[in-house]
Amino acid sequence: SSVLTQSPSVSVAPGQTARITCGGDKIGTKSVHWYQQKPGQAPVVVVYDDSDRPSGIPERFSGSKYGNTATLTFSRVEAGDEADYYCQVWDGGSDYPVFGGGTKLTVL
Amino acid sequence: EVQVVESGGGLVQPGGSLRLSCAAFGFSLKNYWMHWVRQAPGKGLVWVSRIDSEGTTTKYADSVKGRFTISRDNAKNTVYLQMNSLRDEDTAVYYCVFTSHHYLTNWGQGTLVTVSS
Repeated sequence: SSVLTQSPSVSVAPGQTARITCGGDKIGTKSVHWYQQKPGQAPVVVVYDDSDRPSGIPERFSGSKYGNTATLTFSRVEAGDEADYYCQVWDGGSDYPVFGGGTKLTVL
Repeated sequence: EVQVVESGGGLVQPGGSLRLSCAAFGFSLKNYWMHWVRQAPGKGLVWVSRIDSEGTTTKYADSVKGRFTISRDNAKNTVYLQMNSLRDEDTAVYYCVFTSHHYLTNWGQGTLVTVSS
């Protein structure tokens, strides 16, 4: 089954750009989805199908993919973006979702 | 409001059983695939199980295979997770999720399962 690797933490100052990466074998052939989870809350999709945003998600959040690495980019980071972020792909062979280990975004 | 609400969590001894329920409000579950995802304290998200819209196909993470059973009753608009032979490492918040995509769109607020003697 797929294994997704994320850095444990990323720190950024307000107003700067932050990037969270998700690496995995064959990720280039799969759609990557991103979730935001704030303390005590359920996860929320912020990017799906590599780069699409659900309604209500700010344009500051963007997704991209190159080779076997997907990236979630936050432009003009705000304090409210501080959260855990998880990437996810669908493992077609096993027919279920697989999550990355998560990245904690800290806004300094 | 469209939502799912989990119930049935609690404290159970190792080796014990629990049945979690996930009830849908404001919509019909019958057109959706349903998943259970868990999160141990301070840890990441881990997919546990899923069932297709008609209840004909189920899948399980290796860590729960043979111990957990997912089922659904579309007439009652409810999905279940029967958990047997519980272990300390099953301690987690269990989220019920419904979706019609290969990503998980609609999450409940979760129910806490604590396995401890």
